[in-house]
Amino acid sequence: TQLLEQSPQFLSIQEGENLTVYCNSSSVFSSLQWYRQEPGEGPVLLVTVVTGGEVKKLKRLTFQFGDARKDSSLHITAAQPGDTGLYLCAGAQGSGTYKYIFGTGTRLKVLA
Amino acid sequence: GAVVSQHPSWVICKSGTSVKIECRSLDFQATTMFWYRQFPKQSLMLMATSNEGSKATYEQGVEKDKFLINHASLTLSTLTVTSAHPEDSSFYICSARDLAGLAKNIQYFGAGTRLSVL
Repeated sequence: TQLLEQSPQFLSIQEGENLTVYCNSSSVFSSLQWYRQEPGEGPVLLVTVVTGGEVKKLKRLTFQFGDARKDSSLHITAAQPGDTGLYLCAGAQGSGTYKYIFGTGTRLKVLA
Repeated sequence: GAVVSQHPSWVICKSGTSVKIECRSLDFQATTMFWYRQFPKQSLMLMATSNEGSKATYEQGVEKDKFLINHASLTLSTLTVTSAHPEDSSFYICSARDLAGLAKNIQYFGAGTRLSVL
């Protein structure tokens, strides 16, 4: 059972456009991470959010953790072709092993 | 940053053979490592949590006798796919956490191993 649903699944946009990716769950997470993955490689960590309502910015990327720590969003401003990739959210449950469960993924393609 | 090395990066084997994949933390001690499986165009599915010096914890639906995990040292975990079949073909990724470090919530990922079973 996939606990984290991401939307949209696929997104193809033109360079310069803005976009938002959502990560939703009915479960509460102690922390949530966002990753970007290139084909044939492992995921690369973008950000970790731990506090409900927390907002973090990484250049053109803005990440928000929901107040109830059940959902998160990733907003990209003025997307560039280099942003193309698979975006994954991952939520940690429990305070012991910090086991992370990955979301369903959003495949983004930014056209030049 | 911390580096996790995964080997091999690509392996092709015949049906019925066993394949071992290594995951090493190069500059930190990883008391916990995770093994994931990823099918084409899909997300990562957690297979098991590997704890140094103890038995691995497998996720529901993952056959522990099929996917043998050994975490014998603080820098090495291995995943052995036993009696591999074509349906085991997938991208296997490991990650490692440094529980002694400050960034306890961060898992560092290997580059993955693509397994093709003929």
